Amino acid sequence: QVQLQQSGAELVKPGSSVKISCKASGYTFTSYDMHWIKQQPGNGLEWIGWIYPGNGNTKYNQKFNGKATLTADKSSSTAYMQLSSLTSEDSAVYFCARGVLDYWGQGVMVTVSS
Amino acid sequence: DIQMTQSPPSLSASLGDKVTITCQASQNINKYIAWYQQKPGKAPRQLIRYTSTLVSGTPSRFSGSGSGRDYSFSISNVESEDIASYYCLQYDNLRTFGGGTKLELK
Repeated sequence: QVQLQQSGAELVKPGSSVKISCKASGYTFTSYDMHWIKQQPGNGLEWIGWIYPGNGNTKYNQKFNGKATLTADKSSSTAYMQLSSLTSEDSAVYFCARGVLDYWGQGVMVTVSS
Repeated sequence: DIQMTQSPPSLSASLGDKVTITCQASQNINKYIAWYQQKPGKAPRQLIRYTSTLVSGTPSRFSGSGSGRDYSFSISNVESEDIASYYCLQYDNLRTFGGGTKLELK
């Protein structure tokens, strides 16, 4: 069965960076886009961007250009998102989701605090 | 970028009611809309894709319709387990979520 297993919660300092992961199993990793979605506490869902692991192509929501960097490791079927220059506005749960967003990871809580 | 305007932001219903949520896209999205249910602390769950196709496991009391820019999602005979937030998603061009609708019990 399709599973997306995300890394654990992160507590990071303002101005720093964080890299979170999403390990895929149960399907051919290189055949589907992997998307990333942000949800701030009490708020709605916001699409960050996608990566196509087959060729590494990426597409971003303009709002997240320069904030998020998406990569993928075909050998381990793992997608990554790095968030840089973190501020309190980046404190949120981050989800990965496949393709037409039919399967989702469990989410990673990132807290930015000094 | 395509914008999705979802309404209402919140909805109060009694058990057994029928409720409807709408999403309007800023341009034609060619029926490429999906609907999600999210409960607190959980990842969203896809209920419907391509406007009206129920995802495996979605109860038949859920339905979707629409075309062009205008789409709707309904729950007939609301049950207690349906209390959640609901989101639309367009996937015709990149991805855009609607603002969400919180369904509460009256």
